[in-house]
Amino acid sequence: AQRVTQPEKLLSVFKGAPVELKCNYSYSGSPELFWYVQYSRQRLQLLLRHISRESIKGFTADLNKGETSFHLKKPFAQEEDSAMYYCALYFNKFYFGSGTKLNVKP
Amino acid sequence: GAGVSQSPSNKVTEKGKDVELRCDPISGHTALYWYRQSLGQGLEFLIYFQGNSAPDKSGLPSDRFSAERTGGSVSTLTIQRTQQEDSAVYLCASRIGGANTEAFFGQGTRLTVV
Repeated sequence: AQRVTQPEKLLSVFKGAPVELKCNYSYSGSPELFWYVQYSRQRLQLLLRHISRESIKGFTADLNKGETSFHLKKPFAQEEDSAMYYCALYFNKFYFGSGTKLNVKP
Repeated sequence: GAGVSQSPSNKVTEKGKDVELRCDPISGHTALYWYRQSLGQGLEFLIYFQGNSAPDKSGLPSDRFSAERTGGSVSTLTIQRTQQEDSAVYLCASRIGGANTEAFFGQGTRLTVV
């Protein structure tokens, strides 16, 4: 069965520090993977998708099929990155992880 | 054009009453999804529509929950005889379809059952 796991509920880092939000998935085929972000009092929005191999707001995510992981990384966190982050797998519907709250301290 | 629109933004209802939540997807988006977000929880899948059909309604918590979509556009999620555990933010999303396309979310309806 499809499943997405985000092991960290809360991640606190200082401004300028590197950050990595972990995501592991269960899926036997070629996955469609996404990272969504929800800033305070805003709607959930797409941050990036694995197929694009893009960097958005300094964030990147690499798909590792061997480890079934799709971790989100940023080398230097900013205070405005503080938000809730959800990893999602698409197979007929979106399977979301439980989310990681990122808190970037000044 | 406009994004996904949900109404009402907030709804306070008494236990036992019925409520209707509305979702206006982005024009042309064939797929529509309903999720529920409870405090401290992730996004819980409820149901999805492809056109007016619901191939997967496996996430509806009980038979008090139902949803429909008409004209391949607007969707309504109905909760009958609301209970306090139904209190949550109900999110709607739409998607144009095709590989690796994203879902666009509405701002949600915050339902409080008192």
